[in-house]
Amino acid sequence: EAGVAQSPRYKIIEKRQSVAFWCNPISGHATLYWYQQILGQGPKLLIQFQNNGVVDDSQLPKDRFSAERLKGVDSTLKIQPAKLEDSAVYLCASSLTPGQGKDTQYFGPGTRLTVL
Amino acid sequence: AQTVTQSQPEMSVQEAETVTLSCTYDTSENNYYLFWYKQPPSRQMILVIRQEAYKQQNATENRFSVNFQKAAKSFSLKISDSQLGDTAMYFCAFYNNNDMRFGAGTRLTVKP
Repeated sequence: EAGVAQSPRYKIIEKRQSVAFWCNPISGHATLYWYQQILGQGPKLLIQFQNNGVVDDSQLPKDRFSAERLKGVDSTLKIQPAKLEDSAVYLCASSLTPGQGKDTQYFGPGTRLTVL
Repeated sequence: AQTVTQSQPEMSVQEAETVTLSCTYDTSENNYYLFWYKQPPSRQMILVIRQEAYKQQNATENRFSVNFQKAAKSFSLKISDSQLGDTAMYFCAFYNNNDMRFGAGTRLTVKP
């Protein structure tokens, strides 16, 4: 079974530029999560999708971050414009059952973003 | 809002020995889930063990077990017979009502 795929693995941009990250969850997984992991900290949940609907985006900085999950499969996370403090690893995870937070989350390898 | 605290930034243990990682959390909820996730160097995060708050029995998974103290809001992870492959960052996490919170992590090094 293929795991969660993310691309790109690394990205370096200048502040005020835009960037997009892509995630392909495990086939059949209904729930998809995007996390931000700043160096030295634990992951912080940014947004959670159930199929193609948003379940929770309370910690997403909506003035610059946006995310979508078209057709309930792949997802993209965008930052526009980027700030220095957005430098972090962006993790995507998926889980099988809708609305079941107790489910195991399967994580991708992450995208390491550096904003200069 | 829920918070998760891991007070040990780094720990080390000799191979084959036992080590305990600490985690405390703060919540006003009664039903929730607690997790320990492992993030090996340059590898993906994986689930180690899960505990449901309404279950009094402590969860175990092979060499990994937890000590869940609901009243004290404590959730420690015990690793028995430590192996070199256990070297990783360990994150304690809390889930309730679509809210997932992670602690800052404990870096565990297993020494040969």
